Amino acid sequence: DTEVTQTPKHLVMGMTNKKSLKCEQHMGHRAMYWYKQKAKKPPELMFVYSYEKLSINESVPSRFSPECPNSSLLNLHLHALQPEDSALYLCASSRGGRRDRNIQYFGAGTRLSVL
Amino acid sequence: KQEVTQIPAALSVPEGENLVLNCSFTDSAIYNLQWFRQDPGKGLTSLLLIQSSQREQTSGRLNASLDKSSGRSTLYIAASQPGDSATYLCAARTGANSKLTFGKGITLSVRP
Repeated sequence: DTEVTQTPKHLVMGMTNKKSLKCEQHMGHRAMYWYKQKAKKPPELMFVYSYEKLSINESVPSRFSPECPNSSLLNLHLHALQPEDSALYLCASSRGGRRDRNIQYFGAGTRLSVL
Repeated sequence: KQEVTQIPAALSVPEGENLVLNCSFTDSAIYNLQWFRQDPGKGLTSLLLIQSSQREQTSGRLNASLDKSSGRSTLYIAASQPGDSATYLCAARTGANSKLTFGKGITLSVRP
């Protein structure tokens, strides 16, 4: 099983709302990632968790708040977003470890629209 | 800073043609290079991963090669089918934090 599951598939929210994106994998991977992808652009890395600890934050605005409650779950909490934050949010995982060179497996993404 | 380039941005071919998708990268000190497929509005599907010590990887009708010294990778698709229509992205893994740097992708259309 090489599946990374993301929920919800679609999300529409207002600029004052608080919502969360969820990501789950059961491959025993210890590295999990959030990417943002705008239309016709490549994915941009936002956050990396390694062994449930935040290891990389690519200078993402604080209105995006990641959380890794356990080794299988990754959340992205959203608050006071802007319309320009509308995008496809992708979660990925890999085996993890020092200088991880393993395949990154991606979920199907959450299509977020901010009104 | 690693930069990954994929040219052309779009490609249209008739069904049955063998084709090559190109990927170039500026920093040859990569750990590996990964090819992905993305259908419109969907997530990324990993196709092939080539470690820095490898020259090529094969999966079915797909073959990916890596030439670190020249900073190039190619994805060869044999006997293309309409179902191969998608965007193909390559991504190089480099740096102490092993980040993936993506190219902008090549949108492939295979005409029946």
